[in-house]
Amino acid sequence: SQQGEEDPQALSIQEGENATMNCSYKTSINNLQWYRQNSGRGLVHLILIRSNEREKHSGRLRVTLDTSKKSSSLLITASRAADTASYFCATAATSGSRLTFGEGTQLTVNP
Amino acid sequence: GAVVSQHPSWVICKSGTSVKIECRSLDFQATTMFWYRQFPKQSLMLMATSNEGSKATYEQGVEKDKFLINHASLTLSTLTVTSAHPEDSSFYICSARFGSSYNEQFFGPGTRLTVL
Repeated sequence: SQQGEEDPQALSIQEGENATMNCSYKTSINNLQWYRQNSGRGLVHLILIRSNEREKHSGRLRVTLDTSKKSSSLLITASRAADTASYFCATAATSGSRLTFGEGTQLTVNP
Repeated sequence: GAVVSQHPSWVICKSGTSVKIECRSLDFQATTMFWYRQFPKQSLMLMATSNEGSKATYEQGVEKDKFLINHASLTLSTLTVTSAHPEDSSFYICSARFGSSYNEQFFGPGTRLTVL
């Protein structure tokens, strides 16, 4: 069964707006990762946040992690049409362990 | 950066035939490779984990005799779908990781399998 649940399942915004996606999980984790997948393609690793971190930035991406609520959010600022893709969170119970993926959020950025 | 390739990128086969998918790490040695299956508009489901030189570990519900995995070298793993049926049609994605403490997996571009 999937560890992660993401919401919303689908999100449609206009170019320039910010996009926020959320991920919740059930068990303890060592780290949580976010990936992007363009339609019919493989996954691109975006960012990894460890359980002792609360926030991490990478370019236009901001990831937060709240281990007390077992949730994470991915914020994409100043979105572009090229950001249109599916976004997945994935959790690892321990460092080096298998990843368990969430259901994903389909983001559409309209030009 | 770390690059993982898959071959073929897509394949169409008749029901009952076997299909082999290759996963290669091009610029690093992958001690561990993972095979995932993804149905349309769904998430990735881990099928099996393979470590170089040892037998693959399959997830619950995945038939090891149907999905044969070979990880004979540090840069190559293969997934063979034996006696494929239409319900095996899916997007198969591999990922590779080096070392045991570095958790980032590098994903291949995926292989679209269609069984007629």
